[in-house]
Order: sequence, then C-alpha cells, then structure tokens
Amino acid sequence: QKEVEQDPGPLSVPEGAIVSLNCTYSNSAFQYFMWYRQYSRKGPELLMYTYSSGNKEDGRFTAQVDKSSKYISLFIRDSQPSDSATYLCATATGGGNKLTFGTGTQLKVEL
Amino acid sequence: ETGVTQTPRHLVMGMTNKKSLKCEQHLGHNAMYWYKQSAKKPLELMFVYNFKEQTENNSVPSRFSPECPNSSHLFLHLHTLQPEDSALYLCASSPIGGTEAFFGQGTRLTVV
Repeated sequence: QKEVEQDPGPLSVPEGAIVSLNCTYSNSAFQYFMWYRQYSRKGPELLMYTYSSGNKEDGRFTAQVDKSSKYISLFIRDSQPSDSATYLCATATGGGNKLTFGTGTQLKVEL
Repeated sequence: ETGVTQTPRHLVMGMTNKKSLKCEQHLGHNAMYWYKQSAKKPLELMFVYNFKEQTENNSVPSRFSPECPNSSHLFLHLHTLQPEDSALYLCASSPIGGTEAFFGQGTRLTVV
C-alpha cells in the first residue's frame, strides 16, 4: 500500500466549477500537509501548507485536513483555465525535511 | 522566477556517458534535495543534504553521485545510466527542519 494515495485523473471541469482534489494517507504520524501545483514542463510550486487538522483558505483555494479519517482535500472555487495543471499532495511527520508525495491529479479546466 | 535554478533543462545522454546536473538556490536555505519524478509515480526522494552534509541516501544506485560543495549549490553526477533512469530530476531546498520545499524547474533526462 502506498503511503499517500491520490487519484491520477485526468479530471476535466468547465470554467467556473468548484474543483475537489483529494488524497488519503496511511501513516498517522503525518502532521504537515501540503499541496503543490505543477504546470507542464515546470517544477512543483508550493500552493498550500497546513499543520494538523482543520481548514486553511487562500483566495480561491481551501485546504482541508481530517486526521481522524486520514483524508486531505484541496478545493478550488471559480476554477479558471490557468488552474489547469497537476496537483500533488505531500505529507511530512515534521522535522527531518522528508516529504512523501502522492502521484498527482491532472486537472483541466475548459472554457 | 524560482529561487532554485537547475541546469541544464534538458539532457540526452548515452549509457556510457558521464554528465552532471547542477542546482543553485538563492533562498538562504541550508537543506537541499534531489528528487526523481517518473510518469505516473510519486516524486521519489533521492538525497538530502543539511549544511552540506549528506543526511539521507534513499537506496539510490551508485551510478548517481551527489555533491554539495556549499549550502547554495548541489550537483548530481551521472555515469553509466540505464534507459529506466530517464525521468525529470528535481532539485529542492528548504530551511533546516522545515517541511516547505521549494523546487527548481527540473532537468528532463533521457538516457539512450
């Protein structure tokens, strides 16, 4: 079993839709949760960073962590074509710098 | 513009060649990493350096040899690679003990 599971997609939505991206994880020691966005032929860029359970909002993006069910989500409101990218979830136990990534979900927002 | 710069962006090499990937970070971080990204697989951590010292080697074959001369520069020396080593190689940096990693654009490596 992979430590972090993520549906690879592709996920295709119309412009303006609410997008929900999800990951599940198996290691209850994970305390830090991140979402990275990776455009084609680019490196991943950090989008959202949360510690422990709860919600974090940044503009059109909301990250949600439910440690009881080991489930992490990224919501994108009013999705735009520029949001088309691969979204990677990542987790860490904290300290030691070691991140564990999901495979990434490819998102396409169509006009 | 990313604070982590990788060169070259693309590299094609034969199995008997020797080449090096270079990474430079301008973020003042003291931890640097090499990751491998293959299609439909999660990013795989290869090496971790903290304050120029290697602190993690994730069972990487010896045909990959990292070098970290200072906290701002990281190299990955390649020799006698296999076609299955073709992938996107990503460099990242972070503060020591920090979990937020900042990535470079990557080097797309093709081994023929």
